[in-house]
Amino acid sequence: QQQVKQSPQSLIVQKGGISIINCAYENTAFDYFPWYQQFPGKGPALLIAIRPDVSEKKEGRFTISFNKSAKQFSLHIMDSQPGDSATYFCAASEMNFGNEKLTFGTGTRLTIIP
Amino acid sequence: DGGITQSPKYLFRKEGQNVTLSCEQNLNHDAMYWYRQDPGQGLRLIYYSQIVNDFQKGDIAEGYSVSREKKESFPLTVTSAQKNPTAFYLCASSIHSETYEQYFGPGTRLTVT
Repeated sequence: QQQVKQSPQSLIVQKGGISIINCAYENTAFDYFPWYQQFPGKGPALLIAIRPDVSEKKEGRFTISFNKSAKQFSLHIMDSQPGDSATYFCAASEMNFGNEKLTFGTGTRLTIIP
Repeated sequence: DGGITQSPKYLFRKEGQNVTLSCEQNLNHDAMYWYRQDPGQGLRLIYYSQIVNDFQKGDIAEGYSVSREKKESFPLTVTSAQKNPTAFYLCASSIHSETYEQYFGPGTRLTVT
């Protein structure tokens, strides 16, 4: 059972455009939603994360929008650059101390073209 | 440098052989994790360990085994019972905190023929 659904599977955006990746979850107990960025041949690295007590979090060109009632959250990359080309994973977790398991989405391969 | 090391980066084995993947961290993190990554399937949790000498099965533990004898080490054995072992394996660690950030190693690509 896939608890975090991510779309699209791949995305091509022109340099300077806005990249948008969407995720939906089923488990209402999830209360921590991170996004990870992975370059080819490397391990993922935390990009940005949000808790459900806010609807939006912005860090530089990266913004998470969160809709608790719809059980959806999305990553927006403004002014997308070729260096942003990577695979992005959304994830979700219940913040139980001592049991920090993350459930990952299936990933989105983002390509930024000149 | 603090971080997570996985060795080797590439590993080749014949079908029917057990193989052990190494994961070491010097971050003093309590929790460690093993994930398997396949194209189009994201990261799937194999095993995780919150403290030394204790570990739990993840979503796809069949055909795998782990040990946690030291805080900094969490080796994964891919046994001959794993039907489709060829994959990219990622080790991660985290500290019990408010951020729940998991730090990942560079991964080991295992090819079984």
